[in-house]
Amino acid sequence: SQQGEEDPQALSIQEGENATMNCSYKTSINNLQWYRQNSGRGLVHLILIRSNEREKHSGRLRVTLDTSKKSSSLLITASRAADTASYFCATGHGAGGTSYGKLTFGQGTILTVHP
Amino acid sequence: DTGVSQDPRHKITKRGQNVTFRCDPISEHNRLYWYRQTLGQGPEFLTYFQNEAQLEKSRLLSDRFSAERPKGSFSTLEIQRTEQGDSAMYLCASSLGRSSGSRYEQYFGPGTRLTVT
Repeated sequence: SQQGEEDPQALSIQEGENATMNCSYKTSINNLQWYRQNSGRGLVHLILIRSNEREKHSGRLRVTLDTSKKSSSLLITASRAADTASYFCATGHGAGGTSYGKLTFGQGTILTVHP
Repeated sequence: DTGVSQDPRHKITKRGQNVTFRCDPISEHNRLYWYRQTLGQGPEFLTYFQNEAQLEKSRLLSDRFSAERPKGSFSTLEIQRTEQGDSAMYLCASSLGRSSGSRYEQYFGPGTRLTVT
């Protein structure tokens, strides 16, 4: 079953604009990750944020995590046409035991960046 | 290329036939995962291995599905008596995994697209 819900389901912007995607989840997590998927390269890991972190940056990406609201957001700044893809949040569970490392994905946000 | 590889990339089979997919993980990764993805959805977890031990299986993995990882290297996923509902992209991923809980990012292969006619 899908853990997360992503919002919006689809986002269309112009090159140079910022894109913000949100993810909500239901159960407690160990970490939350964002992945990108396009037809050319499959699923690619973007960034990981641990449950004890609130914000993380990687290049043009900024991720926030609010465990009290069980939500995360991914901000892509100065978007490019090459950022066009589906973006998924995935939650990692477990503090030991057999669920350690398994990811539960949301349904994704389809981002289209127009040149 | 030292990434995760999967074979075949595409498989078309008739309902009732058996199919087997192979995944070769990144060589130093001790964890290997199988996911299934249908159109418009995110990947859904099927099973995972730590070395050669299969540690967890999803309820999605009916008794027609079996996965192995002999010697903790490559893995195979077999589907017996395929059904049209099995049509999906089957994704393999690998990662490092340490009990101290360091890095969990998973590296995905390109997937095997299964079509059951």
